[in-house]
Amino acid sequence: DSGVTQTPKHLITATGQRVTLRCSPRSGDLSVYWYQQSLDQGLQFLIQYYNGEERAKGNILERFSAQQFPDLHSELNLSSLELGDSALYFCASSVGTSGRLWTDTQYFGPGTRLTVL
Amino acid sequence: DAKTTQPTSMDCAEGRAANLPCNHSTISGNEYVYWYRQIHSQGPQYIIHGLKNNETNEMASLIITEDRKSSTLILPHATLRDTAVYYCIVYTGNQFYFGTGTSLTVIP
Repeated sequence: DSGVTQTPKHLITATGQRVTLRCSPRSGDLSVYWYQQSLDQGLQFLIQYYNGEERAKGNILERFSAQQFPDLHSELNLSSLELGDSALYFCASSVGTSGRLWTDTQYFGPGTRLTVL
Repeated sequence: DAKTTQPTSMDCAEGRAANLPCNHSTISGNEYVYWYRQIHSQGPQYIIHGLKNNETNEMASLIITEDRKSSTLILPHATLRDTAVYYCIVYTGNQFYFGTGTSLTVIP
């Protein structure tokens, strides 16, 4: 158990809909990361937040957005869903710092499996 | 843009050492090498990381070449539960590029 929790575990929805995935980081961790894992793309970094502010962006679509709240939990919002958005979505957390850090171990949650029909 | 190259798959006999290689020839001076593994569809699990020196913990050992262009993860006594995809990652300061990893199968 990494200490990172994600809800829900499974989500089934239809094309065109909007969903929200939730992540609670490990106690004390300030950074939260979101990743998408699909069969054909592997693990892709989406976005990182540090202490409520966006820190880095990866391959995140404009239809997707995220935020980190004052209590440090994070939500990933996926809208106008397409069949290709079906994937495992992982959240990870790390201690993080305000500056660039060359070593910062990330701990991953169990993931949310999204199925778009 | 993965900065690492790993073999697609490897087999290892149970009880023997598993040696997983990784090439990271474009690594910069401050960038760390991380190893994670993913079992089935679970969240990736941290194994070990290092910069220049060899590292060892309760799970594995990490051997980094002197020029830092490659490294080897060593699982000293592989068990069936070590069957997983192993990712070698160069940490760029804010992103982990997981690449395709090495699928390790431990054979009874």
